[in-house]
Amino acid sequence: NAGVTQTPKFRVLKTGQSMTLLCAQDMNHEYMYWYRQDPGMGLRLIHYSVGEGTTAKGEVPDGYNVSRLKKQNFLLGLESAAPSQTSVYFCASSYSPGLHQNSPLHFGNGTRLTVT
Amino acid sequence: KNEVEQSPQNLTAQEGEFITINCSYSVGISALHWLQQHPGGGIVSLFMLSSGKKKHGRLIATINIQEKHSSLHITASHPRDSAVYICAVRSGYEKLTFGTGTRLTIIP
Repeated sequence: NAGVTQTPKFRVLKTGQSMTLLCAQDMNHEYMYWYRQDPGMGLRLIHYSVGEGTTAKGEVPDGYNVSRLKKQNFLLGLESAAPSQTSVYFCASSYSPGLHQNSPLHFGNGTRLTVT
Repeated sequence: KNEVEQSPQNLTAQEGEFITINCSYSVGISALHWLQQHPGGGIVSLFMLSSGKKKHGRLIATINIQEKHSSLHITASHPRDSAVYICAVRSGYEKLTFGTGTRLTIIP
């Protein structure tokens, strides 16, 4: 049981390049989230998904796109990377909080992205 | 003012000491999470609670809904407890607001 797997672990991009971060979970969770973690700030929600084929914006969505074509995968795309997107990115998943009130969050190990 | 405030920001203690980390929040919530982030960066869920108290091994989490306050206690602290502890509150199905974390260092 792998839990939540993020790839890649590290990446360096030049300004303007694009990339996709992959998040995969094997727990049959409905909800999946992408967060970014910056020094001195709490985790901030970029985008989230409440089920296969659905996505929604979080608090800092600009410059990112997401897709959830399969229930187990949640992809985060940067179309044209900017230095402000240098951050550590975390994927998380959970059962629906409305149906499973005690459902904890499960996090991936993070992706450290540097944009130069 | 942030919706979720943690204190202290940094805490250094000797092995064996009793540790308390506090979390105060300003919004109505349905649940509160305590998370642990290891030095390697991975984040693990420790507790999720909406009332009362939960215990797991040497860790105890309490919440007072009326006072909008939660505490995480560690008894008989050990160097392997060194990590960043993060409080997060759920105020909607999707909305989780995270504190900035408390960095705990336990010295042998």
